[in-house]
Amino acid sequence: GQSLEQPSEVTAVEGAIVQINCTYQTSGFYGLSWYQQHDGGAPTFLSYNALDGLEETGRFSSFLSRSDSYGYLLLQELQMKDSASYFCAALVSGGYNKLIFGAGTRLAVHP
Amino acid sequence: DTAVSQTPKYLVTQMGNDKSIKCEQNLGHDTMYWYKQDSKKFLKIMFSYNNKELIINETVPNRFSPKSPDKAHLNLHINSLELGDSAVYFCASSQQRDGFETDTQYFGPGTRLTVL
Repeated sequence: GQSLEQPSEVTAVEGAIVQINCTYQTSGFYGLSWYQQHDGGAPTFLSYNALDGLEETGRFSSFLSRSDSYGYLLLQELQMKDSASYFCAALVSGGYNKLIFGAGTRLAVHP
Repeated sequence: DTAVSQTPKYLVTQMGNDKSIKCEQNLGHDTMYWYKQDSKKFLKIMFSYNNKELIINETVPNRFSPKSPDKAHLNLHINSLELGDSAVYFCASSQQRDGFETDTQYFGPGTRLTVL
């Protein structure tokens, strides 16, 4: 089957840096996306990596290593509003593209 | 000017009833999806439509029947509701492209379904 693994919970303090890892086992892999979801809210797109390497978008960066089937989301200068669940999702193709989501990592940012 | 909207936001109903959820997107996207998010927050694709054509149908009980009257709308009808159907249902849309291009999906606010 197709699956992604990520830690269930991460805790950090304001101003710190946190890395959320994601490993995947999929077929027809195109790339790795990250989505943020606040409690009671909808998932919102953060980043997408199709190629190996680091993509930076403000305080958030995302990394992909296709050879290791591994990626991570790096959040810098953490703020309280970053407390949310973060999902990695593999974009795969079986004719039409679809996203396979990991179980999500709950990030708690403390003062 | 909400990009992806869903109605209703909350739905509480008895086992055995039939209910529908509606979704609309004003982004001009060709592809729409239904996802189910369970109590453990696991998000799983159920269906996808591209220009009103069903293109993805995951292993979902046939009590669930999606319908897309046009590419901006995707509805989900559920027959004979069961306790296990309780979840948050998200609609999403994207502009499908081939190859190694991002396929950003835009999610609606969700419909929290509770089956009693």
